[in-house]
Amino acid sequence: DAGVTQSPTHLIKTRGQHVTLRCSPISGHKSVSWYQQVLGQGPQFIFQYYEKEERGRGNFPDRFSARQFPNYSSELNVNALLLGDSALYLCASRLGVGNTEAFFGQGTRLTVV
Amino acid sequence: GENVEQHPSTLSVQEGDSAVIKCTYSDSASNYFPWYKQELGKRPQLIIDIRSNVGEKKDQRIAVTLNKTAKHFSLHITETQPEDSAVYFCAASSLTGGGNKLTFGTGTQLKVEL
Repeated sequence: DAGVTQSPTHLIKTRGQHVTLRCSPISGHKSVSWYQQVLGQGPQFIFQYYEKEERGRGNFPDRFSARQFPNYSSELNVNALLLGDSALYLCASRLGVGNTEAFFGQGTRLTVV
Repeated sequence: GENVEQHPSTLSVQEGDSAVIKCTYSDSASNYFPWYKQELGKRPQLIIDIRSNVGEKKDQRIAVTLNKTAKHFSLHITETQPEDSAVYFCAASSLTGGGNKLTFGTGTQLKVEL
């Protein structure tokens, strides 16, 4: 079984640009969450999606948006990039919305210059 | 919202010694507490977890304890080995209105010295 896959692995963008990050969960998992991990800190919750519906949103500005597709894959979109958006973006896959193990992808390292 | 504090931020032990990392949480409704190990440049990987109806859980050299009353939980690693060197994160799972989220501590850099 493939684990959680994210693309791209690395990305460099310029301030003001837009970025789309992609995540494919483990087969059979219906919940996808997005986390931002700034260097030296723990991951911070951005969104959770389950069955294509948003089930939770963290304390991030409206420049951040996401969606989940019928095959349970997900996209995270960030508009008007700021230098402070530079981070590792992690996708976590879970079977459902209950307290089950969260499996993380390898992340997308976003650098905003 | 939930707030998780983690101590210490760095921990250096000799190979074979024990290591203890402590976390506190604020939301009494949190009921699932995983611990993740993250090696440099890699994804966080679950090493052990505990639910609020259990006080202690052990898996070989790793154990976790939970004190719901005090809102404390701790990770214990015995007989540490150089490959245990990594950053360890505690987390608490709380409800988000239809779902749940993990709130992470700030991490502990564990270094096991030969």
